[in-house]
Parts: sequence; C-alpha cells; structure tokens
Amino acid sequence: GNSVTQMEGPVTLSEEAFLTINCTYTATGYPSLFWYVQYPGEGLQLLLKATKADDKGSNKGFEATYRKETTSFHLEKGSVQVSDSAVYFCAVTGTASKLTFGTGTRLQVTL
Amino acid sequence: DAGVIQSPRHEVTEMGQEVTLRCKPISGHDYLFWYRQTMMRGLELLIYFNNNVPIDDSGMPEDRFSAKMPNASFSTLKIQPSEPRDSAVYFCASSLGGIRYNEQFFGPGTRLTVL
Repeated sequence: GNSVTQMEGPVTLSEEAFLTINCTYTATGYPSLFWYVQYPGEGLQLLLKATKADDKGSNKGFEATYRKETTSFHLEKGSVQVSDSAVYFCAVTGTASKLTFGTGTRLQVTL
Repeated sequence: DAGVIQSPRHEVTEMGQEVTLRCKPISGHDYLFWYRQTMMRGLELLIYFNNNVPIDDSGMPEDRFSAKMPNASFSTLKIQPSEPRDSAVYFCASSLGGIRYNEQFFGPGTRLTVL
C-alpha cells in the first residue's frame, strides 16, 4: 500500500526563518500529493496540493513541488510567522479515494 | 455552510459502555470519512462512505466498531463495548467527489476518553 515518511519534529524556528519540512512517499500508479495543517484543537485543513509530476502547490506563502524522480513533496516557506505554529501532515492518494497520512511534523515558531 | 459538524466534542465514559459519535457532513458532499488520531498511531482511516454506502472498512480495528450512514446528512460511529485503548480523537471528514483531486473537509473532532 501507499506510505508517507515525514521528518520528525518538533521543528522550532524563530519568526522570519526559512522552513523546510521533508516528505517522501511510496505509491503505485499516479498519486496526488497534499499538505494538510492542524491548528491546536481543530481538525485538519488542506494547505496545498499537487496532482501530477512537476506541479507546484502553493498557498499562504507555503510551497511544495511534486518530484516524481525523488518521490518527494517537501514543504517550504520563506519566512515563517508565529501564526504558522501547527502540525503539518503530508498525504498521498492513488486511484482509490483514500488518503494515507504521514505522522505529522509539529512546527513551533517563536518571536 | 457550517462545515462538518461532530458531536459530542468531548466524551468521557467507562470501560464496557457503548459510545456513539455523530457526524453531519457538508451539504451536497458525497464522500464521508471517519478517522482516528492517537499519539502512537497517528491519523488512521477507519471507514469511508460514498453516497451513503460503505466502500472500505478495512481500517476498522475490530468488531466492536461499527459505522452507519442512514442518509446523506448523518453518520454515526459506534463502539460497543468501549475499552481504554479506544481513547483517541475521532474525526469525521467529507468531500465532494473523490479525494484524488478534491479537498477533504474535516470536522473539529470528538475527543474520547475511556476510563
């Protein structure tokens, strides 16, 4: 089956620092890739997605590029804010309507 | 729209009791998903429905768990009898169309504690 490997957290950064959260996947067929974010006490929200190789998903200053050759979908942001503190989940889906999530990476941004 | 609605938000019960979690998906969405989130196992898909029909229940941990979707606007997840290891946050999510291209909208979750 599909699987997702994310870098372990927590990741602690100062405000305005550059963020990278690594994500690699294994999947059959032609998967779509997603990043979801979970703020404290809330459900997950879609942050961005990419549905085919070389696509770049972007939202709220976050970006991730679908790299089929390295089976990766790393999340980046040039300048993080305190309000970005949350847990970030990488996810992959294939032909079936099932999402496989990574274990999540907690981001803590300090002033 | 109010988003996906789950009730109760918190549930504390004793081992052996029956627990029923409820979910109202976003109106018009044709897919509904139940997930469980724990520190040890992360986020696990338990079951999902398409047009009220269960499609894949391979994630349901055992026969103590059951899920129903009697109509397009309501679903339940029942645990009977409950055990301490069932303590987790249970999320319901819905989507319009398959999730290969479409966003999955999550509810706020039900935090279940089984003593």
